Amino acid sequence: AQSVTQLDSQVPVFEEAPVELRCNYSSSVSVYLFWYVQYPNQGLQLLLKYLSGSTLVKGINGFEAEFNKSQTSFHLRKPSVHISDTAEYFCAVSPYGGSQGNLIFGKGTKLSVKP
Amino acid sequence: NAGVMQNPRHLVRRRGQEARLRCSPMKGHSHVYWYRQLPEEGLKFMVYLQKENIIDESGMPKERFSAEFPKEGPSILRIQQVVRGDSAAYFCASSPMGDAIIEQYFGPGTRLTVT
Repeated sequence: AQSVTQLDSQVPVFEEAPVELRCNYSSSVSVYLFWYVQYPNQGLQLLLKYLSGSTLVKGINGFEAEFNKSQTSFHLRKPSVHISDTAEYFCAVSPYGGSQGNLIFGKGTKLSVKP
Repeated sequence: NAGVMQNPRHLVRRRGQEARLRCSPMKGHSHVYWYRQLPEEGLKFMVYLQKENIIDESGMPKERFSAEFPKEGPSILRIQQVVRGDSAAYFCASSPMGDAIIEQYFGPGTRLTVT
């Protein structure tokens, strides 16, 4: 079975500051890794995903994440945040090679960007 | 190309009534996933369907919940005899294939309130 832990439920940060949202996972098999963003009253939108290859993954809106297999982490980063980045961010995993594709989500981190 | 559509966006039901949630996948997508988001929780997988088939319902409560994805028309998540604990946001996602590598596109969700 797989599980995802997002260590911070809320992260306040000032505009133009860097931010890191932490994600750790547990799995007995290899997994694919995802970050989704949810703006208020909207569905989830894929930010980026790690399938294989380079451990540094670049996504939309200037976000990037680094896969660290030894630490079973997939932290999300942005060097300079904007007010519009205020949203809830979800880390998710899916078992490698699985044919079903259902995602296992963390509880989410609410990013609040202040002017 | 319209995204994943869900209706209604908000649904209020009294205890004991039935709730029907509809999901129209993106054009060309024949795989549908339903997730439930309880307050302060991440999304939890409920069921995965292809046209006319339930592929994986391991996340569905054993009683009162059912899902279908007919040959024609939207996917329906049905909750009979709703209870307060069913109050949540229900998200539908679709993909062109049922592979973990393939991105799932999420709808805006249906927020169910049971009074």
